[in-house]
Amino acid sequence: DVKVTQSSRYLVKRTGEKVFLECVQDMDHENMFWYRQDPGLGLRLIYFSYDVKMKEKGDIPEGYSVSREKKERFSLILESASTNQTSMYLCASSPPGQGKYEQYFGPGTRLTVT
Amino acid sequence: GDSVTQMEGPVTLSEEAFLTINCTYTATGYPSLFWYVQYPGEGLQLLLKATKADDKGSNKGFEATYRKETTSFHLEKGSVQVSDSAVYFCALSPDYKLSFGAGTTVTVRA
Repeated sequence: DVKVTQSSRYLVKRTGEKVFLECVQDMDHENMFWYRQDPGLGLRLIYFSYDVKMKEKGDIPEGYSVSREKKERFSLILESASTNQTSMYLCASSPPGQGKYEQYFGPGTRLTVT
Repeated sequence: GDSVTQMEGPVTLSEEAFLTINCTYTATGYPSLFWYVQYPGEGLQLLLKATKADDKGSNKGFEATYRKETTSFHLEKGSVQVSDSAVYFCALSPDYKLSFGAGTTVTVRA
């Protein structure tokens, strides 16, 4: 089974802090994604990466950056956390050319910024 | 752009009732369609999928048919259980990205 893990289930940070959310997948997938999930809005794509060191902005990239130095790891960075970034963050991965294109999700990190 | 609209919840049902969650989409081309489920405290899991018109996806008693003429992918289950209580997301994928609906919360009472 594909396994996608996220470094924390719950995180509490202060406004202005730099926050790192880590995601690791164990299936050698090329594509990795970061979403945020908010009630009534579904999942919105923040960034995705289709290869090591490659990234593209999603629908809501403002206030976020990403890093992908190794194929299995995709990090989301909040440069200066703000209260409106309080949310559930979900990481996902998918291989190219399969199932057009189902994604495998981690358990999520619930981030609270105070 | 591509988008998905699904019925708003919350939906509350009794055990063994029939469940339908409506989903319609707007897309250019021929996307794949998915239903994902999120159980309390967990990430999303793929429930079922369909990759072309008239395909029927099915899993765990749930079914959905890709209807190109009505641009719909409604989710159905004939007899729900308490364990089906979850948030259900409809999604489409024209390429390697997914566009999600807002999610429908379903609660099944014993």
